[in-house]
Amino acid sequence: GGIITQTPKFLIGQEGQKLTLKCQQNFNHDTMYWYRQDSGKGLRLIYYSITENDLQKGDLSEGYDASREKKSSFSLTVTSAQKNEMAVFLCASSGTGGFFNERLFFGHGTKLSVL
Amino acid sequence: GQQVQQSPASLVLQEGENAELQCNFSTSLNSMQWFYQRPGGSLVSLFYNPSGTKHSGRLTSTTVIKERRSSLHISSSQTTDSGTYLCALERHNYAQGLTFGLGTRVSVFP
Repeated sequence: GGIITQTPKFLIGQEGQKLTLKCQQNFNHDTMYWYRQDSGKGLRLIYYSITENDLQKGDLSEGYDASREKKSSFSLTVTSAQKNEMAVFLCASSGTGGFFNERLFFGHGTKLSVL
Repeated sequence: GQQVQQSPASLVLQEGENAELQCNFSTSLNSMQWFYQRPGGSLVSLFYNPSGTKHSGRLTSTTVIKERRSSLHISSSQTTDSGTYLCALERHNYAQGLTFGLGTRVSVFP
């Protein structure tokens, strides 16, 4: 079986900082996603990518950049961390057909706290 | 408003009891997926269920597309079933990705 590895597991930043989260998958999946999970708001899609070098904005893309330089990796950048921000960022991947109609596999998440 | 509504928001069970979790959606869909999340843990896919009924151990998922609902049945609950169960809607316009419900938090006590 495959695995999705997110680094770091915990990220503490300061207001205004640019912060980068990384995700690696060895499923050989085409499609990768970044979700944000906030208490009481569920998961919201930030960015997704259906193949190497492709980027698609989700519902919550403002304030974020993403990069898919290799099929196996997908990184997310918080362009300017907001004070007291606290959330979990989840990376996921699916399928080899580039479509969403398959099971989604998730990493363990990166917990972000902004001082 | 919320396109995917889950009920109940939370559920407390005694070990051995059965439970039914509901997911209702306000838009048309391609498919539903059910996920399980342990506190502080990753999401694990339980079912990819376009329609009909699927079984996995003590879990059963039933999706009725024309009624815009899906359910997850847990039979003979165990303490290890505790966690949050999330359903996610796959939109017809796949470019819109998955839309998640807020989840049902299940607590099973011995």
